[in-house]
Amino acid sequence: DIQMTQSPSSLSASVGDRVTITCRASPGVGNYLAWYQQKPGKVPKLLIYAASALQSGVPSRFSGSGSGTDFTLTISNLQPEDVATYYCQNYNRAPLTFGGGTKVEIK
Amino acid sequence: EVQLLESGGGFIQPGGSLGLSCAASGFTFSTYTMGWVRQAPGKGLEWVSDINESGARTYYAEFAKGRFTISRDNSKNTLYLQMNSLRAEDTALYYCAKASISGSAYDNWGQGTLVTVSS
Repeated sequence: DIQMTQSPSSLSASVGDRVTITCRASPGVGNYLAWYQQKPGKVPKLLIYAASALQSGVPSRFSGSGSGTDFTLTISNLQPEDVATYYCQNYNRAPLTFGGGTKVEIK
Repeated sequence: EVQLLESGGGFIQPGGSLGLSCAASGFTFSTYTMGWVRQAPGKGLEWVSDINESGARTYYAEFAKGRFTISRDNSKNTLYLQMNSLRAEDTALYYCAKASISGSAYDNWGQGTLVTVSS
């Protein structure tokens, strides 16, 4: 099975900061990697697919990069509405594993 | 507008069975892979199962193999998850999700239906 390891598990940053979340896949998943945002009490929302493609309607401050085993989600200008837990997901092959999540808070 | 409406959750004793449904609308249901994802209280997302457009191919997480069955009725635009031999650790909010294209990420999610397994 493919293991998805996210880091950090939580972070606190100031409004306007650049925030980076990493996801490691073992074994590699090509570019079949998605990022989701889940705000408290809400349904998950797709942010990024194919490792770096921005889902329609998602603000351009969100970006994704990487391929194979190492991936990054970057929020370039953190906003108060970005407080959420972020998950990566492998969809290369079953099981379509999620990472453990990264909780982002505002300082 | 895509809508996914889950139903069938509830309180069930360990060892019991429960069937979940997901009524889909706002898109051509028969042309998209669909899946189930769950989230235990206060925990992260956990993939459960996927089914391809025709229903001919199904995939399961290890914990679901042999206990859960995913199916779909394209004539009714409905996705199902039959869960047997339920355990306390199956307690979770179960989301229905639509893949953007076959074998892709989930671009639409339902609100979820809560399953509680307890004696």
